[in-house]
Amino acid sequence: QLQLQESGPGLVKPSETLSLTCTVSGGSISSSSYYWGWIRQPPGKGLEWIGSIYYGGSTYYNPSLKSRVSISVDTSNNQFSLRLTSVAAADTAVYYCARVSRYCSTTTCYSKLFDYWGQGTLVTVSS
Amino acid sequence: QSALTQPASVSGSPGQSITLSCTGTSSDVGAYNFVSWYQQHPGKAPKLMIYDVTNRPSGVSNRFSGSKSGNTASLTISGLQAEDEADYYCSSYTSSSTLVFGGGTKLTVL
Repeated sequence: QLQLQESGPGLVKPSETLSLTCTVSGGSISSSSYYWGWIRQPPGKGLEWIGSIYYGGSTYYNPSLKSRVSISVDTSNNQFSLRLTSVAAADTAVYYCARVSRYCSTTTCYSKLFDYWGQGTLVTVSS
Repeated sequence: QSALTQPASVSGSPGQSITLSCTGTSSDVGAYNFVSWYQQHPGKAPKLMIYDVTNRPSGVSNRFSGSKSGNTASLTISGLQAEDEADYYCSSYTSSSTLVFGGGTKLTVL
């Protein structure tokens, strides 16, 4: 059974960098069938897709966060990571990592759905 | 990118059928059949309920069904049960190679 687990600091100071890692177990991150994504949810609010990465290194980011976000992959440790710079109180949220199903036609690859999720980790931005 | 539009709340009585809507644009919901629906109970991670507009993952009750017309996707829950009370989110692939969620609908079972 595939499992994803987020890890990282639960408290980050304003203007600093938020860093989280997602460890994947029960399956390989180096699969051509999937991307790996980050989603966040501010307290009491809805879901927001942050971005996704393919094991080969291709990345896709939410345009509203693109200038501050970086997602990387470590295939040797079956992990992928999120960095969000210059954080503010509005970045306080539960951060989820998830597996993203990938479908490729003859010309293009698409992200279809989030089928496995981590339990989520609350990151609070506060001094 | 703008979030897909979902009603903030919907309610129904046990045994009834309800339909949740998810409205996007010709660049996301209307352009691709990559619409999915997620159920989220308080304090829990979202759970995939419908993918590719109409398909149910293994283990999801056949009381849940999906459809799409133009730029609007819909999730129908038949035979409403108390355990269906949760937040529901739609998601779609977009022409910018990104993903977008709806704002979510809180379903109350009366």
